[in-house]
Amino acid sequence: GESVGLHLPTLSVQEGDNSIINCAYSNSASDYFIWYKQESGKGPQFIIDIRSNMDKRQGQRVTVLLNKTVKHLSLQIAATQPGDSAVYFCAERSGGFKTIFGAGTRLFVKA
Amino acid sequence: DTGVSQDPRHKITKRGQNVTFRCDPISEHNRLYWYRQTLGQGPEFLTYFQNEAQLEKSRLLSDRFSAERPKGSFSTLEIQRTEQGDSAMYLCASSLGWGDLNEKLFFGSGTQLSVL
Repeated sequence: GESVGLHLPTLSVQEGDNSIINCAYSNSASDYFIWYKQESGKGPQFIIDIRSNMDKRQGQRVTVLLNKTVKHLSLQIAATQPGDSAVYFCAERSGGFKTIFGAGTRLFVKA
Repeated sequence: DTGVSQDPRHKITKRGQNVTFRCDPISEHNRLYWYRQTLGQGPEFLTYFQNEAQLEKSRLLSDRFSAERPKGSFSTLEIQRTEQGDSAMYLCASSLGWGDLNEKLFFGSGTQLSVL
């Protein structure tokens, strides 16, 4: 069945370092992947997305990498800042209308 | 701010009572979604509207749950005979989607439901 999961529930990084958040997915039919950020008391906020015909996409300070061979997705945050502290969700779609979310990784940024 | 608006932000109710939540999407968005999120988990899909038509419902959505989007704008989610297991954050999201194009969801801040 469909599932999206994360390797680690928490990640702690020093301010200024790069962060890498990993995600595994099991549905080989998934064709669209998204990373969302959720701060306390707020709904998830779109960060970056990637289609399955790509293996890398860059945004402002963020990069998403997709490895379809091993069904792995990662989010890289450059020069992590205290404002990046949040829960990060990977999500996927497989042609339908549902976006399926993983359980999330909490990122702590140490000053 | 013209983002997704949800009301109320918090709701405390007693078991067995009915509750209704409202979602006002971004005005030009044709798609509207309801999700449920419990502590430490990712949002779980509940149901989806394209304009006023409810096109998909999760198997998680028991017959105590009903959602409407009567004029293709705001939506309501009603839970009848609430149970303690209904306690969660109910999130609404909207998007401007056509066909199978990439679709960004814009979420509201949610309604936190506590059933005592």
